[in-house]
Amino acid sequence: RKEVEQDPGPFNVPEGATVAFNCTYSNSASQSFFWYRQDCRKEPKLLMSVYSSGNEDGRFTAQLNRASQYISLLIRDSKLSDSATYLCASHGSSASKIIFGSGTRLSIRP
Amino acid sequence: GAGVSQTPSNKVTEKGKYVELRCDPISGHTALYWYRQSLGQGPEFLIYFQGTGAADDSGLPNDRFFAVRPEGSVSTLKIQRTERGDSAVYLCASAIGAGGLGDTQYFGPGTRLTVL
Repeated sequence: RKEVEQDPGPFNVPEGATVAFNCTYSNSASQSFFWYRQDCRKEPKLLMSVYSSGNEDGRFTAQLNRASQYISLLIRDSKLSDSATYLCASHGSSASKIIFGSGTRLSIRP
Repeated sequence: GAGVSQTPSNKVTEKGKYVELRCDPISGHTALYWYRQSLGQGPEFLIYFQGTGAADDSGLPNDRFFAVRPEGSVSTLKIQRTERGDSAVYLCASAIGAGGLGDTQYFGPGTRLTVL
């Protein structure tokens, strides 16, 4: 079993819709979690960090459930420009490696 | 300021050849990471440097892979006797390395390695 698992998708939703991704992690010692966005043939870019129960930034909300060991990402009022692959990741300690999931592909249609 | 840079952006080589991939981290970042990303997968950790020393090299797949960071800034990932399975995008990331939960890793654009 992978340490971080995500539904690969693809998710294909209309513009303006709300979409949610879940990600599960197996290492209960993980302290911090991340959602990265990756566009085709580009590097991952940090979208949100999650250290406690959750984080919100505009249309994006990330939630952490330590009891069930999952992290979610909610995107409200989705835009065409939100089309990308979203990578869930966990961090064991502050300066250690990041463990990534395989990514969830999102496609927003007009 | 300038982000993480990697050269070359693309590298095509033949099976059995030696390649070097270079990473220039963000100035002042003491932590440097190498990852490898295959098609349809997330980045996979290879090695982590804190300053000049490799603090964690547990992700290097075998002894054909080696990385150095002699002056604590630029790093070179070296792959000997390349195999077709080494074809992937090699990503470098750097972080301040000060510790604490806010130590975000910033990724470079990657080097796309193709082994024929």
